[in-house]
Amino acid sequence: SYELTQPLSVSVDLGQTARIACGGNSIGSKNVHWYQQRPGQAPVVVIYRDNNRPSGIPERFSGSNSGNTAALTIIGAQAGDEADYYCQVWDSSTAVFGGGTKLTVL
Amino acid sequence: QVQLQESGPGLVKPSQTLSLTCSVSGGSISSGSYYWNWIRQPAGKGLEWIGRIYTSGSTNYNPSLKSRVTISLDASKNQFSLRLNSVTAADTAVYYCASNRPGVNFDYWGQGTLVTVSS
Repeated sequence: SYELTQPLSVSVDLGQTARIACGGNSIGSKNVHWYQQRPGQAPVVVIYRDNNRPSGIPERFSGSNSGNTAALTIIGAQAGDEADYYCQVWDSSTAVFGGGTKLTVL
Repeated sequence: QVQLQESGPGLVKPSQTLSLTCSVSGGSISSGSYYWNWIRQPAGKGLEWIGRIYTSGSTNYNPSLKSRVTISLDASKNQFSLRLNSVTAADTAVYYCASNRPGVNFDYWGQGTLVTVSS
């Protein structure tokens, strides 16, 4: 079965750039979606299809996907961006989530 | 704006069947090209996709749960349901229902409901 690998945690200084990686075999050939989950809340999509932002998501969120690694980048991280982030793909009619990354804004 | 709401028992005994329902409002469950999904999350852990049902009634399940899962759809009630049998403590989690268009991200989510498996 397909697997996605994320770092358990990423720290970033307030106002700096955070990058969260999501590794998977030839993930560049798949569409990657990214979700933000705050404690006690349902996930919310912040990037869909590799690099598209839904309406209402700040421009500081962006995504990339190539080869075996996809990434979510947050330029100018804010305190409110502190949350868990999950990457997700579809593989053979099955949804696969990465293990999640806890983003800490220092 | 589509809204989803999970409902069902919050406590299930080991070896019994977990049953949850997701009520859909703001749109018809049988119109358009939509998948209706169940996703769960044990406390302090990541998201696990359980399975989905299409508006046509076709289903796909997580291979790791396939032998124990049934997802069904009731268009007359605008609801879809999850049944997970032979539960153990490992099935204790917050269960979410969510929707998605084919091949795209999960767009609408329920608030989640905690199900505890314990005697």
